[in-house]
Amino acid sequence: GNSVTQMEGPVTLSEEAFLTINCTYTATGYPSLFWYVQYPGEGLQLLLKATKADDKGSNKGFEATYRKETTSFHLEKGSVQVSDSAVYFCASGSARQLTFGSGTQLTVLP
Amino acid sequence: DTAVSQTPKYLVTQMGNDKSIKCEQNLGHDTMYWYKQDSKKFLKIMFSYNNKELIINETVPNRFSPKSPDKAHLNLHINSLELGDSAVYFCASSRMVDSPLHFGNGTRLTVT
Repeated sequence: GNSVTQMEGPVTLSEEAFLTINCTYTATGYPSLFWYVQYPGEGLQLLLKATKADDKGSNKGFEATYRKETTSFHLEKGSVQVSDSAVYFCASGSARQLTFGSGTQLTVLP
Repeated sequence: DTAVSQTPKYLVTQMGNDKSIKCEQNLGHDTMYWYKQDSKKFLKIMFSYNNKELIINETVPNRFSPKSPDKAHLNLHINSLELGDSAVYFCASSRMVDSPLHFGNGTRLTVT
């Protein structure tokens, strides 16, 4: 079956630091890949997505590239802000059968 | 103008009780879902309905019964609640396959 493995947290960074959260997947075929973000007390929101190999998803300064050869979809941001503090989930599949990673808690300190 | 709304936000109840969580979406989406998020933030799909028909039913105890009166609503009824049912339950919807999921803000269920 499909599975998603992402970097365990928690991750604590200072404001303006560089962020990487690793994500790898196993799947049959070529699933779509997603990053969702969950702010405290809220539901998950789509952050970005990529639907085929070499696609780059980007939003709010975050980026992730669909790497078929390494089955990875690592999330990066060049300069994090305090407001980026949240839990980040990598996911693969289609909306009707989405497999989530275990989530990575990010805390950004001023 | 909340897109996916679920009620209640918090639910505290005793073991053995029966409770329901309601979900409504005003996005005109065809597909709705229930997810369970445990204390370690792990998310697992429970059910999915497309146009009021069940299309995904993961290995969930039959104490959990989803009901979809129309495609804008997907309610979750839980019988004989157990301690292990304590979690945050998220409703979500999507327009079609490969469309992004839109989540509600969750219902935190605590069984004592």
